[in-house]
Amino acid sequence: GQQLNQSPQSMFIQEGEDVSMNCTSSSIFNTWLWYKQDPGEGPVLLIALYKAGELTSNGRLTAQFGITRKDSFLNISASIPSDVGIYFCAGRSNTNAGKSTFGDGTTLTVKP
Amino acid sequence: DGGITQSPKYLFRKEGQNVTLSCEQNLNHDAMYWYRQDPGQGLRLIYYSQIVNDFQKGDIAEGYSVSREKKESFPLTVTSAQKNPTAFYLCASTGDSTYNEQFFGPGTRLTVL
Repeated sequence: GQQLNQSPQSMFIQEGEDVSMNCTSSSIFNTWLWYKQDPGEGPVLLIALYKAGELTSNGRLTAQFGITRKDSFLNISASIPSDVGIYFCAGRSNTNAGKSTFGDGTTLTVKP
Repeated sequence: DGGITQSPKYLFRKEGQNVTLSCEQNLNHDAMYWYRQDPGQGLRLIYYSQIVNDFQKGDIAEGYSVSREKKESFPLTVTSAQKNPTAFYLCASTGDSTYNEQFFGPGTRLTVL
C-alpha cells in the first residue's frame, strides 16, 4: 500500500526560529494536505495543495507540492509558543477511493 | 456552524463490553472515515464509507463494526473482540467536490479498564 515518510519525527526549537518539515512517498498523490493536532483534539487542516509545484501560504505557514508529486514540505516562519503540536502530512490519490494516507507526524516543541 | 461532532469526549468501559462511538456531520459530505490514534503514532484507518448504506474495511478493521444508515451519521462499535481497544478515535468526512479536503471531529478517548 501507499506509505508516507515524514521527517523529522520531532523538533525542539527556540521561539522565533523557522521550522521545516517534509514528507516523501513512493507513490504519486493528487492532493497534499497538512494538519496540526493539539493534544487531545482532532487534526485541523492548515494547508491544502492540489497542483504539482504549487506553493501556498497561510500566515506564517508555507507549503509546497513537489514537482514529482511524491513529496511536500511545510515551513513555519518565526515560530511562537502556540505552534507547539503535532503536524501531519497526508496524501490523497484519485485512485484510492478518496482515502488519505498519513505520515506519522512531526512533534514540534517551541521553547520561549 | 457546519462541522463534525463526536461524543462523548471521554469514554470508560469494562473489558468485554461493546461500546459505540458517535460521529455526526452537518457538512453534507458523502464520505466518512474512522481512524485510530495511539500515543506518539499517526492515524490508522479502521473503516470508511463513501455513500449511505455502504462501507469498507480499512487497515485495522478487526474487532470493529460500523453502520451508515444516514448520510449524517457514521457510528463505530468497538467490540469485545478488539484486543487492545484503549485509544483515541477520530472521525472524519470528505466532500465530493474537486477540492475534497478531509475534516476531522474532536475525537473520543476510549479507555477500557
